[in-house]
Amino acid sequence: DVKVTQSSRYLVKRTGEKVFLECVQDMDHENMFWYRQDPGLGLRLIYFSYDVKMKEKGDIPEGYSVSREKKERFSLILESASTNQTSMYLCASNPEGETQYFGPGTRLLVL
Amino acid sequence: QKEVEQNSGPLSVPEGAIASLNCTYSDRGSQSFFWYRQYSGKSPELIMSIYSNGDKEDGRFTAQLNKASQYVSLLIRDSQPSDSATYLCAVPYGQNFVFGPGTRLSVLP
Repeated sequence: DVKVTQSSRYLVKRTGEKVFLECVQDMDHENMFWYRQDPGLGLRLIYFSYDVKMKEKGDIPEGYSVSREKKERFSLILESASTNQTSMYLCASNPEGETQYFGPGTRLLVL
Repeated sequence: QKEVEQNSGPLSVPEGAIASLNCTYSDRGSQSFFWYRQYSGKSPELIMSIYSNGDKEDGRFTAQLNKASQYVSLLIRDSQPSDSATYLCAVPYGQNFVFGPGTRLSVLP
């Protein structure tokens, strides 16, 4: 079974804090993705990566950065958290040309 | 801009009925299509994929694809309250996926 794990299910941070969200997949997938999901707005792509040390901006990269130092790990970084970054964050991975598998999600609240 | 559209719902059906969920897409060259189910507070999980015109059946689920009309649908037979969820249609675009906004289904006991 494909397994995608995320470091936290729930996270509470204060405005201005630096926040790290970790995602790990155990199936040697090339592609990894970070989305955020908000009511009424659906899934929106923040960043994605096709390979180690490679990253591409998605539709809403502002306020975020990413790191992929190892193939199995893709980190999302909020450099200075703001209240409008309160959301559900979903990590996904897939092998080339196949469907995406999602992690359980991290619900982030920024106060 | 690649687009995937779905009716947001909610779609309400009585238990035991057939639920029909529809999705249209803008890229005529798309070759594969995926349906995900997402329970409230959970992450999406894949339930069906379809690559060829026509129907594909898996248990109570049937995916239907019409490339000429650029729509894909998901039928759920004998709907159960446990099917109540949001259903997302997804279409690959290069290395990425474009997701529809989802249709919220409510199956009433």
